[in-house]
Amino acid sequence: DIQMTQSPSSVSASVGDRVTITCRASQGISSWLAWYQQKPGKAPKALIYAASTLQSGVPSRFSGSGSGTDFTLTISSLQPEDFATYYCQQAKSFPITFGQGTRLEIK
Amino acid sequence: EVQLVESGGGLVQPGGSLRLSCAASGFTFSSYWMIWVRQAPGKGLEWVANIKQDGSEKYYVDSVKGRFTISRDNAKNSLYLQMNSLRAEDTAVYYCASSQWPQKGAFDIWGQGTMVTVSS
Repeated sequence: DIQMTQSPSSVSASVGDRVTITCRASQGISSWLAWYQQKPGKAPKALIYAASTLQSGVPSRFSGSGSGTDFTLTISSLQPEDFATYYCQQAKSFPITFGQGTRLEIK
Repeated sequence: EVQLVESGGGLVQPGGSLRLSCAASGFTFSSYWMIWVRQAPGKGLEWVANIKQDGSEKYYVDSVKGRFTISRDNAKNSLYLQMNSLRAEDTAVYYCASSQWPQKGAFDIWGQGTMVTVSS
């Protein structure tokens, strides 16, 4: 199974800050990576697929990069609605696996 | 409006069974892979199962193999998860989702989730 490890597990930041979340795969997954945002009590929302392609309707302040084993999600200028938990997910092979999540909190 | 609505969750004793349903609307259900993902209370996301558009391919996480069965009825725009021999560790919110798998790899549309509690 491919293990996905996110860092940090939590981060505190302020509105307007630039934030980067990292996701590492235990083996190469090319660009088969997606990112999700989840707010408390809500279903996850897809942000990015194929490592760097923005899902329709997602603000351009979100961006993704990386390939192989190392990936990043960057939020260029945090907005109040961005405080949530973020997950990466590999789509290279079954079983599909998610990272453990990164909680983005208000400083 | 594009929508997925889960139902069928509830409280069940260990060893019991439950059948979850997911009703799709607003998109061509038969064109998409469908997925079940679960989230235990206070925990992260765990993929449970995938099913291909025509039901010809199904994949499961090891922890549910032999106990859970994913199925779909394209005529009814519905996805199902039959859960047998339930254990306490199956307690979670269960989400259904759709995907343009494998080209896109992400789960685009999600339902609101249905809670399954396994307890005596």
